[in-house]
Parts: sequence; C-alpha cells; structure tokens
Amino acid sequence: GAGVSQSPSNKVTEKGKDVELRCDPISGHTALYWYRQSLGQGLEFLIYFQGNSAPDKSGLPSDRFSAERTGGSVSTLTIQRTQQEDSAVYLCASSYPRASGSSYEQYFGPGTRLTVT
Amino acid sequence: GQQLNQSPQSMFIQEGEDVSMNCTSSSIFNTWLWYKQEPGEGPVLLIALYKAGELTSNGRLTAQFGITRKDSFLNISASIPSDVGIYFCAGLVQGAQKLVFGQGTRLTINP
Repeated sequence: GAGVSQSPSNKVTEKGKDVELRCDPISGHTALYWYRQSLGQGLEFLIYFQGNSAPDKSGLPSDRFSAERTGGSVSTLTIQRTQQEDSAVYLCASSYPRASGSSYEQYFGPGTRLTVT
Repeated sequence: GQQLNQSPQSMFIQEGEDVSMNCTSSSIFNTWLWYKQEPGEGPVLLIALYKAGELTSNGRLTAQFGITRKDSFLNISASIPSDVGIYFCAGLVQGAQKLVFGQGTRLTINP
C-alpha cells in the first residue's frame, strides 16, 4: 500500500518568506508526527497529532512554526519568516495507535529538504 | 526529558564483519524500535520489540530488548555494502505517548 508522502521534496526559499510543507499519512493512521533533521544529526521532535485530541506542540522551536491537521488526515507544517537556521530536512511520520492509545511503530515519509538562502 | 544514549556514534568496518550497536537510558521503556536511514530518505523501520528479554531477527539483523527494560542492542551479521546508513534506536518510555530517538550510529563499510 501507499506509504507516507511529503511534498515538496525540496524547497528553496529566501530568508523572511513563509513556507508550507505537506504530509499525507498512511490511510487509517490516526497519529501524525513532524520531526526536523539537521545535516548529519538525529531527529528533533516538533509536533504530534493524535486523532481529535489537542496536538502536542512541545517540540516547536518558536512561534514561527505551526502545524495543522485537517480532517484527521493531511497535515501542513508552516514556517513563517524563515531564517537560515531553519534549513533542514523536515520528516513526517504516521502510526496506527494500539488499543492503549499510545502510538508505537512510526512510518516515515521521504522528507522535505528546506534550504533558506 | 528522557535521554537515549546510542553508541557508537560511527563505525567503520570491513565488508563481512559483524556489527553491534546499542542504546541505553536511565528510564524504563515499554517498546524499542530500530530504524535505518539512507541518504535522502526517511528512516525505515527494521525491528520492533515489545517485551523485556525479547530477541527478534530480521534476516541478518538481530535486536534485543534488554531485561532491565533500559537498553536494547542491534547486531548485523556478515555486513554487506547495502548496510551502509544511519541506524537509529527509538523507545517508548513507560507512561509516555511518543517515541524518544537516539542520535544515530553512522555505519560505513569498506569493500
């Protein structure tokens, strides 16, 4: 079946511009995550959506970052007034929670490489 | 927040050698996952572990959920060039709702 898809695959933007990154999770997955990965580094958690619950925004680095998830499916990560330090790969993952309500196995998309010039 | 210590950070080995990497924490985990990431791609799930002491294999890969529930290891036997990549451990801390990721082990293989 189809995996997690993300678009665009690459985005180059000028400092100060806003960008929107899109994630289409695996059908039926109710949990969705956004991560940021700087070059050669690990995964930095940004935000987590679980069903209709309020999102866990504890990883967002500043108020320039926001995310929405419409209809419990597609998610958009928005970065306003981009800065050069925002350059990174932005990864989306989704998972199907077990009966306990916790999300276990996460499946990742290919990422969006953002370059701020 | 919870910390996962993944080691080694990088490995340079010869083709055919066995590889071992591990993750440790001071917290108790309910789940351990191991991922592999290749350049330009997202991490791919390799092995999932759900019980303390569980030993699971996936081809040449073997992973174990430590009996103390605070650690896990991943072994790769008879490495081949396509094993090159970054390997991440991830764990679900008891009572938590989301995974914590290690910093990754970068594996390089000399032919």
